[in-house]
Amino acid sequence: QVQLVQSGAEVKRPGASVKVSCGASGYIFTNCAIHWVRQAPGQRPEWMGWINIGNGDTKYSRAFQGRVTFTRDTSASAAYMELSSLRPEDTAVYYCARDMILARPYYFYMDVWGKGTTVTVSS
Amino acid sequence: DIQLSQSPSFLSASVGDRVTITCRASQVISSYLAWYQLKPGKAPKLLIYAVSTLQSGVPSRFSGSGFGTDFTLTISNLQPDDFATYYCQHPWTFGQGTNVEFK
Repeated sequence: QVQLVQSGAEVKRPGASVKVSCGASGYIFTNCAIHWVRQAPGQRPEWMGWINIGNGDTKYSRAFQGRVTFTRDTSASAAYMELSSLRPEDTAVYYCARDMILARPYYFYMDVWGKGTTVTVSS
Repeated sequence: DIQLSQSPSFLSASVGDRVTITCRASQVISSYLAWYQLKPGKAPKLLIYAVSTLQSGVPSRFSGSGFGTDFTLTISNLQPDDFATYYCQHPWTFGQGTNVEFK
């Protein structure tokens, strides 16, 4: 079945970087985009941006511009999110989610999500 | 930027109840409105997209409606598996969530 499997929990020091992976299976990986969304404790989900898996184009939220990088490895059917210069307020669950951008009509939603990767930033 | 505001933030209900959650946009939005169910430790689940289209595999007790700035998610005949937090989404922002708790 269609699923996204994310890498395990991370604990990082302030100032460090973290890289989270998102492995896809059960569908044609290049026919979609992958969004990255994070949810800090007690907060609403926050969109970080997305990567078009087919052509590698990326769009980043202004809130993370310059600090986040999305990449993908189509041979491994995997997407990656790297966040640098970590601070305690980056402590959150980070999700990847699929967006079937080639669907017509297109309605701007995320239909399959990973279970999330908990990233804790603490000294 | 468009802001989404949900009400109520918390809702206590019993199995079998009908519950309605409202999502209000700060300006008129198109039909790009989705609803998700989130539970701790589980993958978020898409329930509704395009305001009222039920995602494949989602029980028919979930329904969505609305237009303009006001949208609703209704759960009829609430089931034990439905106790969760629900979020509306318009690309690419989310409401603040509604926590449906067991009364």
